[in-house]
Amino acid sequence: DAKTTQPPSMDCAEGRAANLPCNHSTISGNEYVYWYRQIHSQGPQYIIHGLKNNETNEMASLIITEDRKSSTLILPHATLRDTAVYYCIVRVFLGGYQKVTFGTGTKLQVIP
Amino acid sequence: DTEVTQTPKHLVMGMTNKKSLKCEQHMGHRAMYWYKQKAKKPPELMFVYSYEKLSINESVPSRFSPECPNSSLLNLHLHALQPEDSALYLCASSPGGAFSPLHFGNGTRLTVT
Repeated sequence: DAKTTQPPSMDCAEGRAANLPCNHSTISGNEYVYWYRQIHSQGPQYIIHGLKNNETNEMASLIITEDRKSSTLILPHATLRDTAVYYCIVRVFLGGYQKVTFGTGTKLQVIP
Repeated sequence: DTEVTQTPKHLVMGMTNKKSLKCEQHMGHRAMYWYKQKAKKPPELMFVYSYEKLSINESVPSRFSPECPNSSLLNLHLHALQPEDSALYLCASSPGGAFSPLHFGNGTRLTVT
C-alpha cells in the first residue's frame, strides 16, 4: 500500500472548519483513500473514502487533488467531540478482505 | 456503542498464564482482524481471517495464537506473554466487498505483569 504523510498535530476552534491534509504521492491507480479517526480509549471509526472524485457524507467531506497525490479531510463545523487522532490510509482490496495499515495520523485538538 | 464486541475490556495476566481474548460480530461480515496498539502509537495489524481462513499473519510471535471458530467469532489465545506485550488489542470486521470499511471494537486493554 502507498505510504501517507500527515502533520502530527493540528488545532481548530470550535465551530470552525477543520482541514486535515494528507500526502500520498506514491498512490497507484487502483488504490482508494480512506479516513478513520480514533477518539481516546475507543477503536478507530470509519469516516469516509474516495478514489478520485470529491466525496461528502454526514460526517465530513473528502477533497482529492486531480493528480491524486494528496487529499484533505474537511470537518465543516468542528465540535469538541471531534477531538481525536485522524488517520489517512491508502489501501488495496485483496479479494474478500483488506490490508489496512495505519500511519502515525494527525492529532486534532478542537479548542472551545 | 460498537457492533463489534470485545471481551474482556481489561485483562491483567502473569507471564506464565494462559488467557484468551474474544471478539464477536453479528453483522454477517466475512473478514475479521486483530490489531495491537501500544500507547501513543497507531494500530498495528497482526492477523486477518477471510471466510474463516487465516489470510495474513504479520510475523506475529507464536505466543499469540488466533482462532476463528465461525464467521461471527474471533479469538486470540495468549500464552507466555512478556511485559512488552502489554497493549490495547483491537478486533475489527468487514464485509467481503471491495469498498467496505473496517468496523472496530473498543479493544481489550491487556497488562502483562
